[in-house]
Amino acid sequence: DIQMTQSPSTLSASVGDRVTITCRASQSINNWLAWYQQKPGKAPKLLIYKASNLESGVPSRFSGSGSGTEFTLTISSLQPDDFATYYCQHFNNYSPCSFGQGTKVDIK
Amino acid sequence: QVQLEQSGTEMKKPGASVKVSCKVSRYTVTDLSMHWVRQAPGKGLEWMGGFDPEDGEIIYAQKFKGRVTMTEDSSTDTAYMEVSSLTSDDTAVYYCATLSIFAVAPDVWGQGTMVTVSS
Repeated sequence: DIQMTQSPSTLSASVGDRVTITCRASQSINNWLAWYQQKPGKAPKLLIYKASNLESGVPSRFSGSGSGTEFTLTISSLQPDDFATYYCQHFNNYSPCSFGQGTKVDIK
Repeated sequence: QVQLEQSGTEMKKPGASVKVSCKVSRYTVTDLSMHWVRQAPGKGLEWMGGFDPEDGEIIYAQKFKGRVTMTEDSSTDTAYMEVSSLTSDDTAVYYCATLSIFAVAPDVWGQGTMVTVSS
């Protein structure tokens, strides 16, 4: 199975900061990458699909980029509601999938 | 919009099996590609397996092959995920997740089912 590695594991930031999270795949996954946000006690929420497509209803301050083996999630101006844990996932619905280990974004 | 409703909290002893259900509303379960994800306390998300619509079979993560079985009941529009030979390492919240029509990644999730394995 393809391994996904996220960095950093924890990120301390302030409201208004630009935040970038990186996700690397152990082999090329083209653009079959999704990003999720999860808050404590809640199910994950889809933010980005196919590496760079914003899910309907997700604020435009979230963006995704990358292809092949390296991907990034960027929050252009961090808002109080954005403090959460973020996961990348290799997903294409026809082969084994895997998540990164997660990046917790907390208040500096 | 499809909705998923999972069964309630389970407590099991080591060696037992557990079967978690995921009831689909507003669509039929056979129209959907259902996936299962778990999360141990304080840990990250772990994909367990899901339905491959291209060949009509379930794909399992390597570590769960032979111990996890995913099924569907079209008469009740319910998906099931059964884990056998439980150990304390299986203590986790188990989620079902699916792709709504035209989605390319799981965008609809159940609320989660807590499974605790303890003697």
